[in-house]
Amino acid sequence: DAGVIQSPRHEVTEMGQEVTLRCKPISGHNSLFWYRQTMMRGLELLIYFNNNVPIDDSGMPEDRFSAKMPNASFSTLKIQPSEPRDSAVYFCASSPGRYGNTIYFGEGSWLTVV
Amino acid sequence: AQTVTQSQPEMSVQEAETVTLSCTYDTSENNYYLFWYKQPPSRQMILVIRQEAYKQQNATENRFSVNFQKAAKSFSLKISDSQLGDTAMYFCAFMKPRGTYKYIFGTGTRLKVLA
Repeated sequence: DAGVIQSPRHEVTEMGQEVTLRCKPISGHNSLFWYRQTMMRGLELLIYFNNNVPIDDSGMPEDRFSAKMPNASFSTLKIQPSEPRDSAVYFCASSPGRYGNTIYFGEGSWLTVV
Repeated sequence: AQTVTQSQPEMSVQEAETVTLSCTYDTSENNYYLFWYKQPPSRQMILVIRQEAYKQQNATENRFSVNFQKAAKSFSLKISDSQLGDTAMYFCAFMKPRGTYKYIFGTGTRLKVLA
């Protein structure tokens, strides 16, 4: 089975531009997570969906960040406008959603905002 | 709120030797799950091992085993017969129970296996 698929793998963009990161979770998983990883703050949970519904978005840093999950097989994380401090690795992860089940990570999207 | 602490930012070990990475956590819950994830230079997050709090037996996965001390809220990872491919960041994670399925990660330990 294919794992969690993220795109793009790498993105370099200029400050002020819109960035859209995409994620396809593992088929059959009904929980989806977006994490951000930086040297300073480690792994931070940005938002968590269950059955396509956002359950906890308390980690979304500010209004410039938005996430959607229009169906069970696709999610986006959008940053508009982007800033240099948004540079990080963004991970999407999915889980079957039952208590205790492991989450499976994608390979990450490396974002650099210059 | 639950927290996960990894007090060793960096460690090194000689190839073929054994190393133990420490993790402590804080929770008032009685039932929960704990995980160790490995992140090699490729940045891929890979599950190493997981432990269910209600099981007293320590989890084992090939060369990887845990020492789970529930009363002390400690969850250390032991890597036996270390290999060069074990060089990576290792993250301890706690699963917040009761429906939210929220995982809380420690800050990681960077392990280098020396030839």
